[in-house]
Amino acid sequence: DTAVSQTPKYLVTQMGNDKSIKCEQNLGHDTMYWYKQDSKKFLKIMFSYNNKELIINETVPNRFSPKSPDKAHLNLHINSLELGDSAVYFCASSLQGRGVGKNIQYFGAGTRLSVL
Amino acid sequence: SQQGEEDPQALSIQEGENATMNCSYKTSINNLQWYRQNSGRGLVHLILIRSNEREKHSGRLRVTLDTSKKSSSLLITASRAADTASYFCATVPVDQGGKLIFGQGTELSVKP
Repeated sequence: DTAVSQTPKYLVTQMGNDKSIKCEQNLGHDTMYWYKQDSKKFLKIMFSYNNKELIINETVPNRFSPKSPDKAHLNLHINSLELGDSAVYFCASSLQGRGVGKNIQYFGAGTRLSVL
Repeated sequence: SQQGEEDPQALSIQEGENATMNCSYKTSINNLQWYRQNSGRGLVHLILIRSNEREKHSGRLRVTLDTSKKSSSLLITASRAADTASYFCATVPVDQGGKLIFGQGTELSVKP
């Protein structure tokens, strides 16, 4: 059973197109995240949702719009794709709070986006 | 920038040797975590050390934390070829909604 699954695994598209990446977790976590990993493997948080509410919104172009229909899903829609958007996008989830096992993030396998 | 720094950026050792990776950060933290990333895969959590802890062990992993120096180290003992991966430290800064700030990672290569 995949704990955090994201689709698609690979996405190749032309500049200017709009695309979506989906993420689902079956761990019962209350918080989900999107990260971007560049070609130098630098990993940077983009967004975080807790119980469907946006709690972290880093300096990301407004072409990127996250949507969380419920606690188990966090999707990422990207409008007007640019060459610089090419990267690997990771979804993650965690259970917030104090105590053992809390605040540990579980990552999906990533979506490799190539913008041509 | 809050981004942590890791040292070395790349490390190549023989199977059976120990590997030590260091991480420095800039802000006050709630905890510090280490993650492993195999090539083409997502990150996997290894160990978490809280700001009031100084050392933690998990199997062949030993993590230390020095909050006065804002630094941490990860020691992998008796390394195996399967330990080949990128290792990232990540801090959870105080009062920032629980987000993880990742270092740039250390690429570890363990030769059989």
